[in-house]
Amino acid sequence: EPEVTQTPSHQVTQMGQEVILRCVPISNHLYFYWYRQILGQKVEFLVSFYNNEISEKSEIFDDQFSVERPDGSNFTLKIRSTKLEDSAMYFCASAGRGYEQYFGPGTRLTVT
Amino acid sequence: QKEVEQNSGPLSVPEGAIASLNCTYSDRGSQSFFWYRQYSGKSPELIMFIYSNGDKEDGRFTAQLNKASQYVSLLIRDSQPSDSATYLCAVKIVRVGNEKLTFGTGTRLTIIP
Repeated sequence: EPEVTQTPSHQVTQMGQEVILRCVPISNHLYFYWYRQILGQKVEFLVSFYNNEISEKSEIFDDQFSVERPDGSNFTLKIRSTKLEDSAMYFCASAGRGYEQYFGPGTRLTVT
Repeated sequence: QKEVEQNSGPLSVPEGAIASLNCTYSDRGSQSFFWYRQYSGKSPELIMFIYSNGDKEDGRFTAQLNKASQYVSLLIRDSQPSDSATYLCAVKIVRVGNEKLTFGTGTRLTIIP
């Protein structure tokens, strides 16, 4: 069964450093998303991406964040200058022509 | 007012019984409703979705939607210890394109053997 994959599973970085989180969505899906979940809190939407552009973003997704689909398979989230409060699980999700979003296993980001 | 509300639990149910999980939402523009299961330290796993009023059944799971009351529920029949997890309710407002999911805080379910 097709699934969303994410790398790395765990990323430790120092405050102020740049990180890139990678995702490979399900191959025939058209819509791509990033969500995050701070430990013990709810899943929060960051950004959605369709047709090679951002279709919606949340207040969390400020100028420090960017997304890219550099080729036909990868979908990346970049955080330019990480802060302590960026520590969270980051989930990539994808959806086909239906509305159902399927989540990847997540990347645990720890900022020290 | 919270957009999606769930009782955080924990909800304890004996093995073999029916577990009933509830969710209310505030935006009447919400049109698609999803239940995800999340095991500790894992990602959300889609288990049910429902778009129309009424019931939708899939195996041991039944999703119920009442748009007039802005209420969606998930019933798990013949509960198993492996059903112990946090259940996340999510809604989507369908306007143009494919927008975000808004999640509740989740209900922690424990099935007691």
